[in-house]
Amino acid sequence: DSGVTQTPKHLITATGQRVTLRCSPRSGDLSVYWYQQSLDQGLQFLIQYYNGEERAKGNILERFSAQQFPDLHSELNLSSLELGDSALYFCASSGRDRRTDTQYFGPGTRLTVL
Amino acid sequence: GQQVMQIPQYQHVQEGEDFTTYCNSSTTLSNIQWYKQRPGGHPVFLIQLVKSGEVKKQKRLTFQFGEAKKNSSLHITATQTTDVGTYFCAAPGGSYIPTFGRGTSLIVHP
Repeated sequence: DSGVTQTPKHLITATGQRVTLRCSPRSGDLSVYWYQQSLDQGLQFLIQYYNGEERAKGNILERFSAQQFPDLHSELNLSSLELGDSALYFCASSGRDRRTDTQYFGPGTRLTVL
Repeated sequence: GQQVMQIPQYQHVQEGEDFTTYCNSSTTLSNIQWYKQRPGGHPVFLIQLVKSGEVKKQKRLTFQFGEAKKNSSLHITATQTTDVGTYFCAAPGGSYIPTFGRGTSLIVHP
């Protein structure tokens, strides 16, 4: 158990809809990262937050947005969903150990868009 | 942006055979990390290498960081079915963007 929690575990929705994925980092971690993993694809970095502020942006679509709240949990909002958005979405956290930027991954949310 | 190339994409081995996956970068890396993702699971941190030429071992796993800090390898001796999964290397990129290799999926045949 990495200490990172993600909800929901599975999500099935229709094209055009909007969903929110939630992540709670490990206790003491200030950074939260979001990744998308499609079938046979690697981990595509979407966005990183550090202590409530956006720190880095990767290949995140304009239809996607995220935020990190004062209690450090984070939400990833996906809107106008398309079939191609079906994927595993991982959240990871880091920062408690200042000597390393090791990321601890949550169990993921499997999103299916029908 | 920085890219980390990882090969091979897939590797089939018979149980007991050795396995190696390689990561290469065109730029010098400050460090490199390795993660393992079991089928149906999430990536789990294995190790971080920081020093030029560093070699670290974890039981049957040997991790190396090249002298120029541009490449790294993970070698598994005498694979077991429990080694099945996808192995990723990861390196810090510019502007805090972490860069993961595409991963090498290890399939072990009993």
